[in-house]
Amino acid sequence: GQQLNQSPQSMFIQEGEDVSMNCTSSSIFNTWLWYKQDPGEGPVLLIALYKAGELTSNGRLTAQFGITRKDSFLNISASIPSDVGIYFCAGEQGGSEKLVFGKGTKLTVNP
Amino acid sequence: KAGVTQTPRYLIKTRGQQVTLSCSPISGHRSVSWYQQTPGQGLQFLFEYFSETQRNKGNFPGRFSGRQFSNSRSEMNVSTLELGDSALYLCASRLAAKYNEQFFGPGTRLTVL
Repeated sequence: GQQLNQSPQSMFIQEGEDVSMNCTSSSIFNTWLWYKQDPGEGPVLLIALYKAGELTSNGRLTAQFGITRKDSFLNISASIPSDVGIYFCAGEQGGSEKLVFGKGTKLTVNP
Repeated sequence: KAGVTQTPRYLIKTRGQQVTLSCSPISGHRSVSWYQQTPGQGLQFLFEYFSETQRNKGNFPGRFSGRQFSNSRSEMNVSTLELGDSALYLCASRLAAKYNEQFFGPGTRLTVL
């Protein structure tokens, strides 16, 4: 089935640094979602994007829907220890009504 | 508004047994999807139910089945458990299939011995 390529797989950063991660596909998507998952819990929806070029913020998080509609980016500014977790992108192809997930970016923040 | 709830949170079974997992969606949400999450494969879509009907299905064997009740609560059943079925099973709900924002429950951690 359709796969989303999410990178990087893991990141080790110092508290206060900014973080960038992205998701790409060979197909066009109509919706991009970004989730965060803490250990032992289900993913929590952070940001939803619905239009090409859209830039949306949620606190220190900013996500963008790529102009080509084949990619999306998530940035975290001034990281803090509680940002630790796995971040997933998810996309919906036009009309499919099914979400496809990336394999996640594991973020570690060193205090 | 209460979030998605799943029961049980943890389960240990042996090979060959069967298991039933339960999911209660957010109030008003009529669509429920199930996912299997493993370290190697990530989040894999199992199936989605809307108004008691299965709308979409992933690439899993027939041992994996589900159903949805009139109150939108859903159950997932796995028969003849295999070691490889050990995973976190996540349920997600949304208002309806055309709304892409899915909200996840905490998951059921299934261990097959």
